Amino acid sequence: QVQLKESGPGLVQPSQTLSLTCTVSGLSLTSNSVSWIRQPPGKGLEWMGVIWSNGGTDYNSAIKSRLSISRDTSKSQVFLKMNSLQTEDTAMYFCASLYGGYTFDYWGQGVMVTVSS
Amino acid sequence: DIQMTQSPASLSASLGETVSIECLASEDIYSYLAWYQQKPGKSPQLLIYAANRLQDGVPSRFSGSGSGTQYSLKISGMQPEDEGDYFCLQGSKFPLTFGSGTKLEIK
Repeated sequence: QVQLKESGPGLVQPSQTLSLTCTVSGLSLTSNSVSWIRQPPGKGLEWMGVIWSNGGTDYNSAIKSRLSISRDTSKSQVFLKMNSLQTEDTAMYFCASLYGGYTFDYWGQGVMVTVSS
Repeated sequence: DIQMTQSPASLSASLGETVSIECLASEDIYSYLAWYQQKPGKSPQLLIYAANRLQDGVPSRFSGSGSGTQYSLKISGMQPEDEGDYFCLQGSKFPLTFGSGTKLEIK
C-alpha cells in the first residue's frame, strides 16, 4: 500500500525558511519521482518542483530561486526547503508521486503552512 | 509557461444530469492532460490521464476527451458523491500547470 505523508511546522515567520518532509512507503524513491504541490486557501494548485528517480530536480521557474528539493533514499524521505517566505506562501503543501512522467497518482494528506509573525 | 483556462468556475447540476467541464490550453499539449477531483479538506484524486484514460477504480460515468488545445471532462449522470472541485493538469511542458478549478454542486 502506497502512502505519502507530509510533516513540518504549521507556522513560519516572514522571511524565514520552510522545511518540510515527505515520508514515503510502498514506493522506492530510486524507481519513482516525487513532486511538491501547494494550494493557497480557497485557491488552485501550483506545481512547485520534482525530484526524479535518478536524483535530478526540476523547479517551477516562479519560485526556483527560493526552492530546493532533496531526498534520503535510505529513509525513503523527500525534503522541501524554501527560503524568504512571505504571507503569499501560506498554503497547504502536498507531496505526490509522479505517474506517467507528468501526472500524480498518490498524494499525501497535505500539511498546512501559515506564514505570519 | 502553458496557461490552462478552465470553465466554468462553478456549476450546479441535478442528480442524473450530464455535466461537462472544459480546459483550454494556451498551446498544443498533445493529450498530456489529466483531470482531478478534490473534496473539501482532502488531497486531489486522479480521474483521467492522457486526456481520455480512466484511472483504475474511477466510475465509468467519468470520461475525458479532446486533443490539441481543447479538452473536456464529462460526468454522465451526476451522483451525490460527485460534488467537489475539479482541476485539469497539463503535462506537456514543465512547469506543470493546473486549471483554476470548477466547483461542482448538486442543484
